Amino acid sequence: EEQVVETGGGLTQPGGSLRLSCAASGFTVSSKYMNWVRQAPGKGLEWVSVIHDGGSRYYADSVKGRFTISRDESKNMLYLQMNSLRVEDTAVYFCARDATVAGTRYFYMDVWGKGTTVTVSS
Amino acid sequence: DIVMTQSPDSLAVSLGERATINCKSSQSVLYSSNNRNHLAWYQQKPGQPPKLLISWASTRESGVPDRFSGSGSGTDFTLTISSLQAEDVAVYHCQQYHSTPRTFGQGTKLEIK
Repeated sequence: EEQVVETGGGLTQPGGSLRLSCAASGFTVSSKYMNWVRQAPGKGLEWVSVIHDGGSRYYADSVKGRFTISRDESKNMLYLQMNSLRVEDTAVYFCARDATVAGTRYFYMDVWGKGTTVTVSS
Repeated sequence: DIVMTQSPDSLAVSLGERATINCKSSQSVLYSSNNRNHLAWYQQKPGQPPKLLISWASTRESGVPDRFSGSGSGTDFTLTISSLQAEDVAVYHCQQYHSTPRTFGQGTKLEIK
């Protein structure tokens, strides 16, 4: 079964840092487009970042310069390093895989983890 | 960025009745190179992550009951549940994948009347 499991969330103060991890099983992270998507309390979904199979990385404007997406091929893991955290970064963070159809990657997500909660508060 | 707007924000429907959720994009998500609408629908039950229901505006994912259907083209889309079941209580999200960044609607909360 293809699945992902996120860890690393927690409580931190504004200006602090956290690193989220996403462990994948049943598929290889480095051969897919992998995303982080967040959901603030009572709000909709917001795409945060993607890393392509070739290594290209893209970010939402709201996190650019503060967050860094990466992966470890040997561990089949995805990460999100979050620095200079703000109160408005408080959310559940989901790791999600982009779909692949007939060998082509598309930007909708077919595998989601259960999420990890990040709370930024003084 | 393409803005996705869903309506209504919340909806209460009786068991066995039809539920209709709308999603409007600020610009067309019809991709000229493949003539397909780059629009997905997700279901998010309480306390759970989103689950992909429909891609390409109308293609159900494997295992999704056929009471769920998607329609529309260009900028206007609809998710229809033909006969509401208790297990369909959820928030439904639309998402465009035509342009970067991908964007979501604000979500529609579906409840039982």
